[in-house]
Amino acid sequence: QQQVKQSPQSLIVQKGGISIINCAYENTAFDYFPWYQQFPGKGPALLIAIRPDVSEKKEGRFTISFNKSAKQFSLHIMDSQPGDSATYFCAPFETSGSRLTFGEGTQLTVNP
Amino acid sequence: NAGVMQNPRHLVRRRGQEARLRCSPMKGHSHVYWYRQLPEEGLKFMVYLQKENIIDESGMPKERFSAEFPKEGPSILRIQQVVRGDSAAYFCASSPPRGLYNEQFFGPGTRLTVL
Repeated sequence: QQQVKQSPQSLIVQKGGISIINCAYENTAFDYFPWYQQFPGKGPALLIAIRPDVSEKKEGRFTISFNKSAKQFSLHIMDSQPGDSATYFCAPFETSGSRLTFGEGTQLTVNP
Repeated sequence: NAGVMQNPRHLVRRRGQEARLRCSPMKGHSHVYWYRQLPEEGLKFMVYLQKENIIDESGMPKERFSAEFPKEGPSILRIQQVVRGDSAAYFCASSPPRGLYNEQFFGPGTRLTVL
């Protein structure tokens, strides 16, 4: 059962462009929606997260948009930079439980 | 403030040997989680532990895998009689005592290769 589906699998963007990564989930019990960033050889690190009572959250160049009725949330990276090149994971969480449920990841490459 | 520490960073084992992976959580964190990442895949939850207690092991394979988090010392993920399919990156995460939205902080991982 694929609870979390992330798209696209890979994304190539020019420097200064907008990167958009989408995440669709099935479990309506999820109530915390983070995005993690992972560089090669490193562990994932929390980038930005949203609670279900808001539809959008912005932190610097990073924005999460959340659509509860569609059970989807997305990550937007404005003014993408080569240093943003990494793998991004959505990992919705059910606070009554204990686990992050990771999507399969999106490998982002930002060309200079 | 040191982050989550894992050792070894790389581990090579032959089929049938045992692998022991260690995780020291961040200072003040009493909750530990283990995840496994196969190549080109997302992380999959394995087990959630608090000091001296296994809280949720629903993601652990039924055989050969075990985990502990003793009162003193690091958390240990043990894999007995390793097989090639166990080759993966194993990540440990820790979080402070439970709040409503607890961030899990990840270590750098242990990359296990089974020959």
